Amino acid sequence: AQSVTQLDSQVPVFEEAPVELRCNYSSSVSVYLFWYVQYPNQGLQLLLKYLSGSTLVKGINGFEAEFNKSQTSFHLRKPSVHISDTAEYFCAVSGSNDYKLSFGAGTTVTVRA
Amino acid sequence: DTEVIQTPKHLVMGMTNKKSLKCEQHMGHRAMYWYKQKAKKPPELMFVYSYEKLSINESVPSRFSPECPNSSLLNLHLHALQPEDSALYLCASSQGDRNSPLHFGNGTRLTVT
Repeated sequence: AQSVTQLDSQVPVFEEAPVELRCNYSSSVSVYLFWYVQYPNQGLQLLLKYLSGSTLVKGINGFEAEFNKSQTSFHLRKPSVHISDTAEYFCAVSGSNDYKLSFGAGTTVTVRA
Repeated sequence: DTEVIQTPKHLVMGMTNKKSLKCEQHMGHRAMYWYKQKAKKPPELMFVYSYEKLSINESVPSRFSPECPNSSLLNLHLHALQPEDSALYLCASSQGDRNSPLHFGNGTRLTVT
């Protein structure tokens, strides 16, 4: 089975500053990795995904993530955040032998002016 | 059409009521999901339908009864719920492959009184 650990439960950040959200996974098989964002009173929206190939993945809204197999990490970054990036961010993993998606506990990002 | 539509947006029901949550997608997705999400927590998988057949039931109490009338529709029938069942109920769909991302609806906010 796969599991995900999001290392930061809350990340406060000032507008136009960079942000990094950390995600580590554990799995004994090949994995597929995802970052989702949940704005208040909404469902989850896919930001980006890593399936295979290039380890640097670009997503929507200026976000990118880097897959690091040796460190079993998939950290999410944005070079300059906006107030509208205030949301809950979930890292998720599915394995090559499992249809179930395992979510991390989530990271609350609060962007202040 | 890239949306998953859930109705109603909000629902308040008593413990003796019977109600249903509805979900619809027209993306041709083969798998549909019900998740339960408590405040400040990640979504928890409840049920998965694949090709209109129930493929995963995460030991959900029988007071929750899923139904998949066709490949575009998913219902969740509710009966004799408890106050602790109050949560955001999210529907999602996907192509059904292990590397396919989930597309989520905006959820039904359920309050059991």
